[in-house]
Amino acid sequence: LAKTTQPISMDSYEGQEVNITCSHNNIATNDYITWYQQFPSQGPRFIIQGYKTKVTNEVASLFIPADRKSSTLSLPRVSLSDTAVYYCLASPGGDDKIIFGKGTRLHILP
Amino acid sequence: DTGVSQDPRHKITKRGQNVTFRCDPISEHNRLYWYRQTLGQGPEFLTYFQNEAQLEKSRLLSDRFSAERPKGSFSTLEIQRTEQGDSAMYLCASSLATGNEQFFGPGTRLTVL
Repeated sequence: LAKTTQPISMDSYEGQEVNITCSHNNIATNDYITWYQQFPSQGPRFIIQGYKTKVTNEVASLFIPADRKSSTLSLPRVSLSDTAVYYCLASPGGDDKIIFGKGTRLHILP
Repeated sequence: DTGVSQDPRHKITKRGQNVTFRCDPISEHNRLYWYRQTLGQGPEFLTYFQNEAQLEKSRLLSDRFSAERPKGSFSTLEIQRTEQGDSAMYLCASSLATGNEQFFGPGTRLTVL
């Protein structure tokens, strides 16, 4: 499973767009990039998944360049409720288990 | 269906006691996973089931830990002779066999005194 590296923490303000970058230099051909969100005292929640280029859903966008060695999770117009830990994962599609790193602690300020 | 449920939500026990946790997955999901999470860390994979078969166990799962999913529905995780180092949040997740998304429960927080 490819190792991912992401910032330990980030601060932003309400209403701003937040971009969290994740590097995965040794990503394999059959790996997908997946992001999970976790609030305190709750289990992680799937946000978005992609393989290449751009994926967008009602919550976020995921940008993956052609070399796939990094990816960027974009959260538009964040609110205080987006304060959470965000995990970037690189693993084969349909993989049996998820290997989480320490994630990025995003703190949204008023 | 309201999602993955876990019981109890909190458990306080004394060192050396046995504890058992229960996980009820989303009904149509045939895969079930157990993770452990300590403060400031991401969840660590422990084991997973496809239906009633336990297909993989992490080396983190010592012989004091055992998990079952007898009828391919709910699962139990038992820790025997608990140690203070077992204090953590125990998370359960479920998914479809062909799906990439795992749905997590709220977790059981274990405190070993």
